Amino acid sequence: QKEVEQDPGPLSVPEGAIVSLNCTYSNSAFQYFMWYRQYSRKGPELLMYTYSSGNKEDGRFTAQVDKSSKYISLFIRDSQPSDSATYLCAMKARGSNYKLTFGKGTLLTVNP
Amino acid sequence: NAGVMQNPRHLVRRRGQEARLRCSPMKGHSHVYWYRQLPEEGLKFMVYLQKENIIDESGMPKERFSAEFPKEGPSILRIQQVVRGDSAAYFCASSRDGTGADTQYFGPGTRLTVL
Repeated sequence: QKEVEQDPGPLSVPEGAIVSLNCTYSNSAFQYFMWYRQYSRKGPELLMYTYSSGNKEDGRFTAQVDKSSKYISLFIRDSQPSDSATYLCAMKARGSNYKLTFGKGTLLTVNP
Repeated sequence: NAGVMQNPRHLVRRRGQEARLRCSPMKGHSHVYWYRQLPEEGLKFMVYLQKENIIDESGMPKERFSAEFPKEGPSILRIQQVVRGDSAAYFCASSRDGTGADTQYFGPGTRLTVL
């Protein structure tokens, strides 16, 4: 079983839709959770960073963490064509809290 | 404030040659991380360095790969005697203090193609 599972998609939605992206994990030592956005042929860019269960909101983005279920989500409201990218979940564990463990990424296309 | 710089952006090598990838961290950052992204795979941790020290190289293949972060100059990821399986995107990230809450900022990557 992989430490972090992420549905690779691809996911295609119309402009203005609400997008839900998810990851599950198996390592209970993970305590820091991140979402990165990666445009084609570019480096990952940090979108959201959380370290406790619950919701964190930043503009059109909401990150949700459920440690009891080992499940994290990213919601994008009012999606725009410029949101078209690959979204990567990433986690850090106690004891090696510098090492990011990534999901494979979900490719999102927002159609105008 | 310049971000993480990587060069070259694209590198083509023939099998058996050496590849040398460079990373300059963000200003004020003294912690550097290298990750590899193989086709159809997620980013995988390779090595974590601070100035003049390798902290964790558990993700780096034992043979042919080495990394350094000298007192002066960029961090270097060196791949000797490259093989086709080394073809990938190599990303460098940097952070300020290496703690759990610390944020890693990524460079644009070096895309290595081995012919």
